[in-house]
Amino acid sequence: GESVGLHLPTLSVQEGDNSIINCAYSNSASDYFIWYKQESGKGPQFIIDIRSNMDKRQGQRVTVLLNKTVKHLSLQIAATQPGDSAVYFCAETYNNAGNMLTFGGGTRLMVKP
Amino acid sequence: KAGVTQTPRYLIKTRGQQVTLSCSPISGHRSVSWYQQTPGQGLQFLFEYFSETQRNKGNFPGRFSGRQFSNSRSEMNVSTLELGDSALYLCASSLQGDPETQYFGPGTRLLVL
Repeated sequence: GESVGLHLPTLSVQEGDNSIINCAYSNSASDYFIWYKQESGKGPQFIIDIRSNMDKRQGQRVTVLLNKTVKHLSLQIAATQPGDSAVYFCAETYNNAGNMLTFGGGTRLMVKP
Repeated sequence: KAGVTQTPRYLIKTRGQQVTLSCSPISGHRSVSWYQQTPGQGLQFLFEYFSETQRNKGNFPGRFSGRQFSNSRSEMNVSTLELGDSALYLCASSLQGDPETQYFGPGTRLLVL
């Protein structure tokens, strides 16, 4: 079946640098995408979302980019901090699917002090 | 306000047994979704309940079932446990099934021996 995947399983960055986490999706019907952060022992935490009628959305220190042509989205974290160390998941869904999210495999972000 | 709570947090069972997990959503949330998280398969959608009715169902065998009560609390049951059912089971609640208002609980870690 169609699923959302990630290119890099582990990303190691220096504190203060910018991080970019990538995600590919295959369901062309998907129209809503979410990035989640999951810390050890906790459930996924909503970071930022984007709808398919947008190419870019910015939050606090985070930006999500969506490229529908190549079915790719990315999460950019500015000035990465030790507290950003976690596993990041992209998830996608489509109209009428409610909370039936399809998750990518996850990328572990490690921030070196 | 209190977040999503799941009980128990940890559970050990043996093959062939059955298990019931409980989820209390955020006050006012009427939708509850369940996900299974394993290292091999990642995060996979199990089912979603809204107003005591199953609204969406993932691709899991009939051994996995759930229900929702009138106070929106939800339970999921796994019968005839298999080793492969060992996983972190996550519950998420949202106002009305809209993923942008969805919050995850900390999960129940199930180990099947």
